[in-house]
Amino acid sequence: DGGITQSPKYLFRKEGQNVTLSCEQNLNHDAMYWYRQDPGQGLRLIYYSQIVNDFQKGDIAEGYSVSREKKESFPLTVTSAQKNPTAFYLCASSWGETQYFGPGTRLLVL
Amino acid sequence: GDSVTQMEGPVTLSEEAFLTINCTYTATGYPSLFWYVQYPGEGLQLLLKATKADDKGSNKGFEATYRKETTSFHLEKGSVQVSDSAVYFCALSDRSTDKLIFGTGTRLQVFP
Repeated sequence: DGGITQSPKYLFRKEGQNVTLSCEQNLNHDAMYWYRQDPGQGLRLIYYSQIVNDFQKGDIAEGYSVSREKKESFPLTVTSAQKNPTAFYLCASSWGETQYFGPGTRLLVL
Repeated sequence: GDSVTQMEGPVTLSEEAFLTINCTYTATGYPSLFWYVQYPGEGLQLLLKATKADDKGSNKGFEATYRKETTSFHLEKGSVQVSDSAVYFCALSDRSTDKLIFGTGTRLQVFP
């Protein structure tokens, strides 16, 4: 089945630790996106990539980093510089303007 | 900049009631408009979309019409079910970047 997978479903981060969230798609989409969702709020764009080896900052990129070495993969690293990382993280991909979302990763701070 | 405004929730309805969730937008161009649905603990699923004025998107009994004159894209369903309980997001696309701009979401609760 074609789709977007995110892992893990839950992730725990200790103070000062970097953690990486995985996002993989087998839809052959060129563009991929990372969003952050906080309770009662809409989605905010962290980073996006329209092509392999290229990516741009979104609205809230501080404290995050990404890479796009393969078309299928767009991992997000939450660095220790992100002081309030507790949120639900959603990955999406698109061909054209319609975006399709993965199931999400919930990040919690210990 | 471009923006989307949705009615605040929660919207609480009895099963088989009529649903309307209001969505208005501000955009400099002619964006495409989307409704996404999010069930508890899950990602967003595309519900329907419309790409130009007067287009009607429809899916699973839900429908919305792209109204350029009122800059609106209200979501409607004639008879809701308990299984429709979820959060609904209205969004528009920036055609130059394919970035989506989301509203804050509206929670729908349907009781039997």
